[in-house]
Amino acid sequence: AQSVTQLDSQVPVFEEAPVELRCNYSSSVSVYLFWYVQYPNQGLQLLLKYLSGSTLVKGINGFEAEFNKSQTSFHLRKPSVHISDTAEYFCAVSEATSGTYKYIFGTGTRLKVLA
Amino acid sequence: EAQVTQNPRYLITVTGKKLTVTCSQNMNHEYMSWYRQDPGLGLRQIYYSMNVEVTDKGDVPEGYKVSRKEKRNFPLILESPSPNQTSLYFCASSLTASLYEQYFGPGTRLTVT
Repeated sequence: AQSVTQLDSQVPVFEEAPVELRCNYSSSVSVYLFWYVQYPNQGLQLLLKYLSGSTLVKGINGFEAEFNKSQTSFHLRKPSVHISDTAEYFCAVSEATSGTYKYIFGTGTRLKVLA
Repeated sequence: EAQVTQNPRYLITVTGKKLTVTCSQNMNHEYMSWYRQDPGLGLRQIYYSMNVEVTDKGDVPEGYKVSRKEKRNFPLILESPSPNQTSLYFCASSLTASLYEQYFGPGTRLTVT
């Protein structure tokens, strides 16, 4: 069965510093990978996704993620964060070939950007 | 404006009183899904629907029902709510399953006393 692990429940970082939010997954079949962001009191919105092709994926708001098949990871990075990036970030996986059409989300990482 | 709407946004109810949370999308999406969000547990999929009259269980379907009689609507039904169903619920839709991003509604905060 597929699963998603976000080891860091909270990540504090100073404004203009770089940040990496970690995501690891397990699956026996090919997967599609997503990062979503949830601002306070809002629904989730897509940051970026990996379907195939280049392993470095660029998303909105200056975020990027790298798919590493051997390490089954899809870590999210931003070279310089802003106060407005304070939010909760979710990694998600869907299986490409199993036919189950489920989505599995990680438990989320709260990014707090400090002034 | 392309969107997913949910109603109500907030609901306080008592144990055993049947309730329905509505979800509607205006993007002609085939795939729709319900999630619950709980602290420390992230989002967990309750039910999903590939298309009209096609629904299937997610990871936490117990205590919930869904129906998909029209493409745009996907209501979540709690026949006999219990306190452990107190949670934040999100409806989402996507063009089709797996490959495409999901668009989320604003959420429904449910409290069962």
